[in-house]
Amino acid sequence: AQSVSQHNHHVILSEAASLELGCNYSYGGTVNLFWYVQYPGQHLQLLLKYFSGDPLVKGIKGFEAEFIKSKFSFNLRKPSVQWSDTAEYFCAVSPNNAGNMLTFGGGTRLMVKP
Amino acid sequence: DTEVTQTPKHLVMGMTNKKSLKCEQHMGHRAMYWYKQKAKKPPELMFVYSYEKLSINESVPSRFSPECPNSSLLNLHLHALQPEDSALYLCASSSPGRNQPQHFGDGTRLSIL
Repeated sequence: AQSVSQHNHHVILSEAASLELGCNYSYGGTVNLFWYVQYPGQHLQLLLKYFSGDPLVKGIKGFEAEFIKSKFSFNLRKPSVQWSDTAEYFCAVSPNNAGNMLTFGGGTRLMVKP
Repeated sequence: DTEVTQTPKHLVMGMTNKKSLKCEQHMGHRAMYWYKQKAKKPPELMFVYSYEKLSINESVPSRFSPECPNSSLLNLHLHALQPEDSALYLCASSSPGRNQPQHFGDGTRLSIL
């Protein structure tokens, strides 16, 4: 079975700082990769996804992620965070041969100080 | 606002009660999902329905009984739950297929007394 690790459980940044959240997965086959965000009191929302093609994917709100197959990683980045980015961020993986079963990482709580 | 509607938003029930959680979507999605999310933990998949048929059951205890009466509705029937079943229950929907993003509801926060 696949597993997903997010190494940073809590991150605190000041506004305008750059963000990188790590995500590594373990699975031997082809995977689909997602980042979801959960703002305080809101539902999970899709930030971006990777299925194939260009390993650098751009999502909403200025976020991007890079798939590095050799490192089994899909790190999330944003050049300059805003206070409104305060949220919990989940990386998720779906094996390509297993329907649409999502396995989530443990999540990273991001706090951006104004 | 999310396009996946879950009711009720909060539910408190005793261990001998029977209750149901409801989920509705009108995006034409033919895949629907139930997840369980404990506090400070990620969502964990419970069930997957594809074209109104149960396709995945992640070894969930029988006190949780899913039902998909039509392509827009998904229910989770609860009976004889345990205190450790207290959690946020999330419903999601997507187009069927391997790489379709899932759309999540706000969840039902369930407390078992």
